[in-house]
Amino acid sequence: NAGVTQTPKFRVLKTGQSMTLLCAQDMNHEYMYWYRQDPGMGLRLIHYSVGEGTTAKGEVPDGYNVSRLKKQNFLLGLESAAPSQTSVYFCASSRDLTDTQYFGPGTRLTVL
Amino acid sequence: DQQVKQNSPSLSVQEGRISILNCDYTNSMFDYFLWYKKYPAEGPTFLISISSIKDKNEDGRFTVFLNKSAKHLSLHIVPSQPGDSAVYFCATTPYSGAGSYQLTFGKGTKLSVIP
Repeated sequence: NAGVTQTPKFRVLKTGQSMTLLCAQDMNHEYMYWYRQDPGMGLRLIHYSVGEGTTAKGEVPDGYNVSRLKKQNFLLGLESAAPSQTSVYFCASSRDLTDTQYFGPGTRLTVL
Repeated sequence: DQQVKQNSPSLSVQEGRISILNCDYTNSMFDYFLWYKKYPAEGPTFLISISSIKDKNEDGRFTVFLNKSAKHLSLHIVPSQPGDSAVYFCATTPYSGAGSYQLTFGKGTKLSVIP
């Protein structure tokens, strides 16, 4: 039981490049989330999903797209990376609204 | 405007003593409060929570206190151990559940427990 895993762990991009971050969970959770954490800041929600095939915007969605084609996977895409997107990205999942969110180890992304 | 404030970026405590981490919030609609703990290079892990209908919740060495009138939350760790050294995040939601997509996090307090 791996819990929540994230791929890759580190990535360096040049401005304008695109990439996809993969989050996978093996707990059969309905809800999945993408957060970003900037230095000296709390986690902020980018997008979330309340089930397979559904996605919704969070607090800071601009510049990102997401997809939840399979229940266990939640993908975060950057179409044209900007230096302002340099951050640590965390994925989380929860069984439902009442259950705790379980976080992955994070992806450290640097955009030059 | 920060809705959840952790005004102490860092805290150092001697092993065996009490650690008190504080959190203030501004929105009276917040209904559920959580503390997460984060080690370097790892994701946050849930520690303890409290509903707005309670003023105290205890789990082993960890106790969370809620003062709704003051909009203040605190986490007490007794006794503190070196393994407690981590960043602690306070989080809240207007929903009565920890899995809410409307979790608002504070900036975190880095706790260092000195042996």
